[in-house]
Amino acid sequence: EVVMTQSPATLSVSPGESATLSCRASQSVGSNLAWYQQKPGQAPRLLIYGASTRATGIPARFSGSGSGTEFTLTISSLQSEDFAVYYCQQYNNWPPWTFGQGTKVEIK
Amino acid sequence: DVQLVESGGILIQPGGSLRLSCAASGFTISSIYMSWVRQAPGKGLEWVSLVYSSGSTYYADSVRGRFTISRDNSKNTLHLQMNSLRAEDTAVYYCARGSSSWPPVYFDYWGQGTLVTVSS
Repeated sequence: EVVMTQSPATLSVSPGESATLSCRASQSVGSNLAWYQQKPGQAPRLLIYGASTRATGIPARFSGSGSGTEFTLTISSLQSEDFAVYYCQQYNNWPPWTFGQGTKVEIK
Repeated sequence: DVQLVESGGILIQPGGSLRLSCAASGFTISSIYMSWVRQAPGKGLEWVSLVYSSGSTYYADSVRGRFTISRDNSKNTLHLQMNSLRAEDTAVYYCARGSSSWPPVYFDYWGQGTLVTVSS
C-alpha cells in the first residue's frame, strides 16, 4: 500500500498571500496524483489531476507540480473561499486508492 | 450535468446491516468506474470500495468480507451493502465517480454524502 504523507497539518495564511502544501508518497506514483479541496460540511472537490492539470472550472491560482514521490500544491493570492482542507490522493498503485491525511489552510 | 445523490444512512446498532444507495444522473454508471469513500467524524478520507465498468470489484481490507458494492444499471444506481457493522464504520459515506473506464482513475465527481452512525 502506498502511504501518502502531507505537510504541514495546518497552514496559517493571510488573505492575498500564497500557500504551499506538500505531499509525499512512500513509493513512486509517477504523475498519478490528485488534489481535492474540502470545505466544512461539503463533499471533496477535485482540483488537480495528473499532478499538474487543473480540473474543469478550477481557478488558475491553483497549481500543482511534482512527480515520483514529491508533490506540491500552490495556491497563489489566497481568497476567502480557499480556506479549507486539502487532500492529495495517489491513483497509480491500487487497490487501495490512498489519500494523505489532509492539510488545513486557515486564516492567519 | 453530473449528479450523485446518496441515501440510506441511519443510526444502527453494532452487528446490523444497511444498504446505501447512490443515484446517478448525467452519465451511465455501467460505463465507468464507481467508488465509495468514507470519512469518519473529524478524520480524513478513506477509500472503501470500487467497481469497474466490467463489474470487477475491489475492497479496502477494513471492509472486505463485510461490504458488497453493486450496481443497478436499470436505475443507474450504485449500492453498498454493509453487514456486520462496527463502531469504527461510523462515517459519512461518499459516492464518487471514476474519471474514466480505463485505469488509472481518480475521482472527478462526488456526492454530498450520507451519514452512517453505528452505536448502541
